[in-house]
Amino acid sequence: GESVGLHLPTLSVQEGDNSIINCAYSNSASDYFIWYKQESGKGPQFIIDIRSNMDKRQGQRVTVLLNKTVKHLSLQIAATQPGDSAVYFCAETANRDDKIIFGKGTRLHILP
Amino acid sequence: NAGVTQTPKFQVLKTGQSMTLQCAQDMNHNSMYWYRQDPGMGLRLIYYSASEGTTDKGEVPNGYNVSRLNKREFSLRLESAAPSQTSVYFCASIWGLEAFFGQGTRLTVV
Repeated sequence: GESVGLHLPTLSVQEGDNSIINCAYSNSASDYFIWYKQESGKGPQFIIDIRSNMDKRQGQRVTVLLNKTVKHLSLQIAATQPGDSAVYFCAETANRDDKIIFGKGTRLHILP
Repeated sequence: NAGVTQTPKFQVLKTGQSMTLQCAQDMNHNSMYWYRQDPGMGLRLIYYSASEGTTDKGEVPNGYNVSRLNKREFSLRLESAAPSQTSVYFCASIWGLEAFFGQGTRLTVV
């Protein structure tokens, strides 16, 4: 719900523009990085993942970039739509069978 | 195909009361997780179960216990609720890197 978004950093983007959501991770041993989208009142939904041996991966209207040197991950959303309005979380895990740890999240607000 | 089902959706407890949050998944996944979500804190892992019969502590396990009753069900118990446990609780069933979340349980401890 709305209370989940309190105190989260917010990115405001004009409808139709591209959005770039950033995430800094802390564990250099993490091998997989994942982006989730959480709409109001719902649980998070998987968007895309990237393995540490890659620096870029593209999906439908989304691109994830990974910079291991500075431990930085970004999610780019092309031609942002009103339905993209949500809180976006990055997550990391050491391997496909290990625990998934979430970052704090960023709220994406779409301007008409 | 219901996915992940959590009950209850809402609960108010008095300090010191106990309760169990239920979670069931029908996707035949091995891994199931419990997270809590607080304003500005993102999702924090409480406990997880990589397979039936195993459970492990996550980031914030204190004050909670879990039971992996069978492959489908993973419950979270608060033995003596505290106001600091007021939160939204999410259960997730994991397939590889993809977590399928329930709708959440909004718990208030007064």
